[in-house]
Amino acid sequence: DAKTTQPTSMDCAEGRAANLPCNHSTISGNEYVYWYRQIHSQGPQYIIHGLKNNETNEMASLIITEDRKSSTLILPHATLRDTAVYYCIGYNFNKFYFGSGTKLNVKP
Amino acid sequence: GAVVSQHPSWVICKSGTSVKIECRSLDFQATTMFWYRQFPKQSLMLMATSNEGSKATYEQGVEKDKFLINHASLTLSTLTVTSAHPEDSSFYICSAPQGGGGTQYFGPGTRLLVL
Repeated sequence: DAKTTQPTSMDCAEGRAANLPCNHSTISGNEYVYWYRQIHSQGPQYIIHGLKNNETNEMASLIITEDRKSSTLILPHATLRDTAVYYCIGYNFNKFYFGSGTKLNVKP
Repeated sequence: GAVVSQHPSWVICKSGTSVKIECRSLDFQATTMFWYRQFPKQSLMLMATSNEGSKATYEQGVEKDKFLINHASLTLSTLTVTSAHPEDSSFYICSAPQGGGGTQYFGPGTRLLVL
């Protein structure tokens, strides 16, 4: 599974878009990029995943670079409830190995 | 989305006792479930893969005799922490993939405190 690197923390103003980057330069061709978030003292919540095309759902958008070495999770209008640790995971239908994630602080 | 539950949500026990944690997939069947452990201010660490009808597979460094896993049915996996000690105090989380896809759904977690 690909090792992923993410910034330790980021701040975002409420109502603005939050753009969370992830580097996965060692990702293989059949590995998906998954994003989860963990709000304090809860289990991780699925957000979105993709292979090589950009994806959008009701929660977020996922932009994957053409070379697949990095991706960006976009929360279009961040709210205070989006404050959480966001994890980017490279996955090939084997197991999930979580990295350190990015602590997103949404501020009023 | 699929729902995974855990019971209990938190437990306090004395050192030396055994504690059983249940993980259930409520609206889907799961032949495989996963158990994680998370210490304060750290990320989730995969402990083991629970397989329905066969033995669990453990990650390197995880004691299989310490953390007993039983995948009793297609909707239930249990993790028993045997002879628990204070260093076993942690947040234990399970997950299960729905259908044939890779998306895993996580339980709410069980907080264990060993005194």
